[in-house]
Amino acid sequence: QQPVQSPQAVILREGEDAVINCSSSKALYSVHWYRQKHGEAPVFLMILLKGGEQKGHDKISASFNEKKQQSSLYLTASQLSYSGTYFCGTGPPVTGNQFYFGTGTSLTVIP
Amino acid sequence: EAQVTQNPRYLITVTGKKLTVTCSQNMNHEYMSWYRQDPGLGLRQIYYSMNVEVTDKGDVPEGYKVSRKEKRNFPLILESPSPNQTSLYFCASKRTGWVEETQYFGPGTRLLVL
Repeated sequence: QQPVQSPQAVILREGEDAVINCSSSKALYSVHWYRQKHGEAPVFLMILLKGGEQKGHDKISASFNEKKQQSSLYLTASQLSYSGTYFCGTGPPVTGNQFYFGTGTSLTVIP
Repeated sequence: EAQVTQNPRYLITVTGKKLTVTCSQNMNHEYMSWYRQDPGLGLRQIYYSMNVEVTDKGDVPEGYKVSRKEKRNFPLILESPSPNQTSLYFCASKRTGWVEETQYFGPGTRLLVL
């Protein structure tokens, strides 16, 4: 039930945009997005609920298409601080009380 | 400060020597969970707990035990560690009853089993 993320890795120059996709073989109720710096704990970015809701957080936004069982994270005008590994996650109630995280997308922003 | 703490942060041990990694949260969260993180595999849930005395298996529970005797603590026990349990471990907590709630992660424990 682990979500699949794409791409696995991406390298950007400062100011460029990126899209990270997350898809699930199971129905989704909510999608969580986290960013993790190397060796540190994951940090929460946003949660989206079913309904096609799009949320924003500074220049990072996300969409959720429950019919396609997909979510996408959009990073615009990337900054060096955006570098890290991005994880999507799915959880209750569809999965019971378990959480499943994707395998991650490594994002590197270079000057 | 609201936080999840883990100890130890780094641990080197030998095969078969029992160890415990502690996890504590000060946010009065009902839900607590353990994950392991391995390169290319992302975060995988080991065990979780919905409340005191209520624990359940996650995706990769083999070789691990947990207990939840107090709301704030959720220790992870490796009775007989093996090299394939070398990994980065995270504890997390959140409120229950609210699907929108995020999980708060501890700083991680890096374990090496020789």
